Amino acid sequence: AQKITQTQPGMFVQEKEAVTLDCTYDTSDQSYGLFWYKQPSSGEMIFLIYQGSYDEQNATEGRYSLNFQKARKSANLVISASQLGDSAMYFCAMRERLRNSGNTPLVFGKGTRLSVIA
Amino acid sequence: KAGVTQTPRYLIKTRGQQVTLSCSPISGHRSVSWYQQTPGQGLQFLFEYFSETQRNKGNFPGRFSGRQFSNSRSEMNVSTLELGDSALYLCASSLVPTSGMNEQFFGPGTRLTVL
Repeated sequence: AQKITQTQPGMFVQEKEAVTLDCTYDTSDQSYGLFWYKQPSSGEMIFLIYQGSYDEQNATEGRYSLNFQKARKSANLVISASQLGDSAMYFCAMRERLRNSGNTPLVFGKGTRLSVIA
Repeated sequence: KAGVTQTPRYLIKTRGQQVTLSCSPISGHRSVSWYQQTPGQGLQFLFEYFSETQRNKGNFPGRFSGRQFSNSRSEMNVSTLELGDSALYLCASSLVPTSGMNEQFFGPGTRLTVL
């Protein structure tokens, strides 16, 4: 079963507007972490934001915030005041915490291609 | 502090050949993971190394192998290349496997094209 689902293959947003990228996940573990990465055309995966399953507050990093709804198993990324440089692929990912043996590898969604329009 | 480095950045090979990719983690990081990214399958975990030992392995055929050296640098090897091996290969490092969940830093990737 797919663990990370990103239902939006592509999104368009006007410059300076906010945009929400959707991510739902599937796990039966209590301890896990959710990540968002940005991948520009150069290929490098740039870490944006992290949310732990036990974090009570939504994570924020500058213009990025994570709308974490644990009961719905969703972790949507909100980008405020979009810039042309935000045009890229965005990936949601998850890893689970195994007792005594560290973390599982990252499992990624298929990604959402965001295009910011001037 | 230098980030994760991967060499080469681009590589072109023909079917049947073998290839070796290299990854140098962030200084002090001892855990290295490899991922394959293709348009069809997306990002998939290949393997993870820590202290020169493979800790985790993804669902890839035996043609894909890796190793880690005492200085934490890692190499992955693909033998008998197939067209479907064309992909971006990403390396990520963290301090140790039990690091904080949010610690995994990626390199720029090696783009392999198999003709």
